Amino acid sequence: DTGVSQNPRHKITKRGQNVTFRCDPISEHNRLYWYRQTLGQGPEFLTYFQNEAQLEKSRLLSDRFSAERPKGSFSTLEIQRTEQGDSAMYLCASSPTSPSIDTQYFGPGTRLTVL
Amino acid sequence: KNQVEQSPQSLIILEGKNCTLQCNYTVSPFSNLRWYKQDTGRGPVSLTIMTFSENTKSNGRYTATLDADTKQSSLHITASQLSDSASYICVVIQSGNTPLVFGKGTRLSVIA
Repeated sequence: DTGVSQNPRHKITKRGQNVTFRCDPISEHNRLYWYRQTLGQGPEFLTYFQNEAQLEKSRLLSDRFSAERPKGSFSTLEIQRTEQGDSAMYLCASSPTSPSIDTQYFGPGTRLTVL
Repeated sequence: KNQVEQSPQSLIILEGKNCTLQCNYTVSPFSNLRWYKQDTGRGPVSLTIMTFSENTKSNGRYTATLDADTKQSSLHITASQLSDSASYICVVIQSGNTPLVFGKGTRLSVIA
């Protein structure tokens, strides 16, 4: 399967713990995006990378959240001191850098439950 | 404020029937509009992508329309199947390298 992959698929943690998610994009894609989706809502943009550079961050990305893409390939999203309000599906998407239409391909998501 | 509004919020139809989902947006400047299908617990999958100049685009039993003047789009599903049960999300992209603006989706349930 050469699509976007995310690990883990599910994570249950206690409030106050740190968690880290991983996203492996489609190999030739330069852009990588992180979104958060709560039940009954559409995905909300968190941040995106072009290669290893983090080009934009949403105001939703508080100082407890940090994302990295050190080698321009896979990316990690870390949440420190988790809160119950962090419970959501965290989606990763990737796209090629192209002058034509930018199609984002989504991974299956990581569902986080904070107890 | 850039917004994407979808209606209805949820819809239940009988297998074999047709349905139309609506999307209104206020995003500006506008680059393109997409419809995604999201099965429960899965990531969204792109169905159609429409640019400013396109009025209609089909993908099998899915037909999307776009009126860039009124900033409205619709997704028509023909001869619905049980596997069409999912959330359908309207997404608008502004010009340039800006994040996607997502609607909240319409939850479609197709029943036998």
